Amino acid sequence: DAKTTQPPSMDCAEGRAANLPCNHSTISGNEYVYWYRQIHSQGPQYIIHGLKNNETNEMASLIITEDRKSSTLILPHATLRDTAVYYCIVRVAREGGSEKLVFGKGTKLTVNP
Amino acid sequence: GAGVSQTPSNKVTEKGKYVELRCDPISGHTALYWYRQSLGQGPEFLIYFQGTGAADDSGLPNDRFFAVRPEGSVSTLKIQRTERGDSAVYLCASSPDRANEQYFGPGTRLTVT
Repeated sequence: DAKTTQPPSMDCAEGRAANLPCNHSTISGNEYVYWYRQIHSQGPQYIIHGLKNNETNEMASLIITEDRKSSTLILPHATLRDTAVYYCIVRVAREGGSEKLVFGKGTKLTVNP
Repeated sequence: GAGVSQTPSNKVTEKGKYVELRCDPISGHTALYWYRQSLGQGPEFLIYFQGTGAADDSGLPNDRFFAVRPEGSVSTLKIQRTERGDSAVYLCASSPDRANEQYFGPGTRLTVT
């Protein structure tokens, strides 16, 4: 299974862009990069995913490098409610189709007023 | 619409007792997952159901853990002879099919005294 590496913590000022990096140098060609976040005492929440093209939705943008060995999640205008642990996950596909998520420790993002 | 619900939200039990944790997935979601999250760690995969069958139970730590989904909707995670090390938040997630993002419930916090 491809592993990911994320910084343990980051800070961001409210209203500024938050750029969260992730390294996944052993990613396979058919594996997607997924981002989830977990606000304190809640279950994880899906944010965005991508294969090789950059992606954008109402929550965030995902930038994947051309070699696919790293990616960056961008929250364009961070708010205090974006304070959470952000997980970068490479989607695992097993024989039989189990698409389980393999979580690391993630990045604890703190948005400061 | 209603999200994934889990009951109870908190469960305190004595060492050696039997517990059942319930998950109600989003209506129509065929895939259902159980994860366990210890303090300060990311969620850890336990078992995955596709319909009524357990397609991947490789994450169950030992034979004290068992899960069922008899009608392809509600699932119950059963833990026999609980140990203090079983204390964690147990998360359930569902997905409309195995390729899509997973929607998580709020979790059940299990404390074994």
